[in-house]
Amino acid sequence: KQEVTQIPAALSVPEGENLVLNCSFTDSAIYNLQWFRQDPGKGLTSLLLIQSSQREQTSGRLNASLDKSSGRSTLYIAASQPGDSATYLCAPSNFGNEKLTFGTGTRLTIIP
Amino acid sequence: EPEVTQTPSHQVTQMGQEVILRCVPISNHLYFYWYRQILGQKVEFLVSFYNNEISEKSEIFDDQFSVERPDGSNFTLKIRSTKLEDSAMYFCASSKRASGSTDTQYFGPGTRLTVL
Repeated sequence: KQEVTQIPAALSVPEGENLVLNCSFTDSAIYNLQWFRQDPGKGLTSLLLIQSSQREQTSGRLNASLDKSSGRSTLYIAASQPGDSATYLCAPSNFGNEKLTFGTGTRLTIIP
Repeated sequence: EPEVTQTPSHQVTQMGQEVILRCVPISNHLYFYWYRQILGQKVEFLVSFYNNEISEKSEIFDDQFSVERPDGSNFTLKIRSTKLEDSAMYFCASSKRASGSTDTQYFGPGTRLTVL
């Protein structure tokens, strides 16, 4: 059974700093991994999808990396802004099914 | 940009009542999902649906739950006899999963279900 852990649970950084969010998963037989952001009381916004054959995926100031063999993914946010404040969730899917398994997330606060 | 929509945004019901949560997936998507998130907890997979049948379901998705695609646009989740522990945010998602496309799952804004 896939288990997903995200560390740290909460992170506060000053505006403008670069930061890294971590995600680890126990079953490396993944098909892909998605990163989402969730604002309080809202839905999930897909940020990036990284296929199991990829090592990196970039979208604007976001860069996701994947090391399948070690069961890790990171989300790098460059030049953070107050609007980046949200909870960030990672969710791998495994071969043979489509379901996403979510971590508990990292609650990010960018201090103006 | 196309998006997944859900209605209602908030549903309050009495324990034992039936509820139907509605979703309109993105129009050219083929796979549909329901997830739920109990307050303060992880998002949990409930069920996936493809080609008019359930393709996978979790242990949470027991006989009290059912899904249906009644027409070409709606996707519904029915809870037959609600329990207090069914109180959660329910998210619908859809993905294209066609050959050559990515498998990104796009989520709706959610329906907050409160069972009293």
